[in-house]
Amino acid sequence: AQSVTQLGSHVSVSEGALVLLRCNYSSSVPPYLFWYVQYPNQGLQLLLKYTTGATLVKGINGFEAEFKKSETSFHLTKPSAHMSDAAEYFCAVSTSGSARQLTFGSGTQLTVLP
Amino acid sequence: DTAVSQTPKYLVTQMGNDKSIKCEQNLGHDTMYWYKQDSKKFLKIMFSYNNKELIINETVPNRFSPKSPDKAHLNLHINSLELGDSAVYFCASSQNMGLAGSEQFFGPGTRLTVL
Repeated sequence: AQSVTQLGSHVSVSEGALVLLRCNYSSSVPPYLFWYVQYPNQGLQLLLKYTTGATLVKGINGFEAEFKKSETSFHLTKPSAHMSDAAEYFCAVSTSGSARQLTFGSGTQLTVLP
Repeated sequence: DTAVSQTPKYLVTQMGNDKSIKCEQNLGHDTMYWYKQDSKKFLKIMFSYNNKELIINETVPNRFSPKSPDKAHLNLHINSLELGDSAVYFCASSQNMGLAGSEQFFGPGTRLTVL
């Protein structure tokens, strides 16, 4: 079984400040990890993903995430927040196997203050 | 060109009615999904089809019946709608469920409101 925990359902940062959204996963086999973003009244869009190889993954819009196996974490960061980053962010995990089902965390609402 | 499209975008209906939501993808993907997002934004998979074959069928009331006429389409039919069915329903597709780390592409969602 696999699961995802996102710490903090709401995160507020000032424009230009560091963005840090936390994600921890649970999986008995090597995971594939994803971050998706959902803008208001829209579907989900992939920000970045980790499958194998380099543990620091760079995505779109200046976001990156680091896979830390020892901490079972995949936190999302961006050095400088922009107003347009305000959205809901979802961490997700899937594993190998016949279904490769994607399991989502509960989401983190990011607010960017002027 | 819209990669994954859903119709309708909004659906308001009375309890007890039967309704359908349509989904189409033009990405040539083999796998399609239906997700339900509740009022707290929690996303849960409902169904998954791979090449028109049902792969995932989570604990969903049998009032919900997916239908895949071809691998580009996955429709969701809901019978005897209940208040608790009110949610946003997302369709998604991926290249192949068997490929490691396949990205899922999401449609814009259908907001269903049951009165």
